[in-house]
Amino acid sequence: GAVVSQHPSWVICKSGTSVKIECRSLDFQATTMFWYRQFPKQSLMLMATSNEGSKATYEQGVEKDKFLINHASLTLSTLTVTSAHPEDSSFYICSARDIQGVTYEQYFGPGTRLTVT
Amino acid sequence: GENVEQHPSTLSVQEGDSAVIKCTYSDSASNYFPWYKQELGKRPQLIIDIRSNVGEKKDQRIAVTLNKTAKHFSLHITETQPEDSAVYFCAASSGGYQKVTFGTGTKLQVIP
Repeated sequence: GAVVSQHPSWVICKSGTSVKIECRSLDFQATTMFWYRQFPKQSLMLMATSNEGSKATYEQGVEKDKFLINHASLTLSTLTVTSAHPEDSSFYICSARDIQGVTYEQYFGPGTRLTVT
Repeated sequence: GENVEQHPSTLSVQEGDSAVIKCTYSDSASNYFPWYKQELGKRPQLIIDIRSNVGEKKDQRIAVTLNKTAKHFSLHITETQPEDSAVYFCAASSGGYQKVTFGTGTKLQVIP
């Protein structure tokens, strides 16, 4: 089946620094990837839609200058959390859909646990 | 934008009993409704999905029903087992990108 990977799986950084998270589709191509944030015991909240070769579309309330998204190829999207603060500590998950797939199924990465100290 | 509500937030059932989780959505353009099971610290796992042109779908002990008119869909798990214990999310998807909006989640506990 379709596989999506994320790197790193967990990261600890100091307040004020930036962290980059990678999302890769390993065996399929994805023109669109999605980035979610999940706080403990809460649902997944869509942050942005990442489009290959164009600017990302951010959900209302998500700061685009703080959460930089780059979708450089059909298999890679990156999320950079800039000037991270403790309130950015969360579980970040990406998902992608196979552009050649016949279903609407989204494939999720394993998530990245970010802790900002 | 789409808004998905989910009830109940917690559900405890005895092993072997059935569990039902209900969701409503707001955007009539939504055309795909996946259900996910998520274990602590892990990615959501698709357990069943349904498209808007279908009213019901079943896969072994799991079934989903969809009422487009009422914008309501439900997950039914029969003969529950302890390994069914997890958080379940409903979701609604629409648009060319099939953007997915998640419900608030239901923590299911199956008591042996």
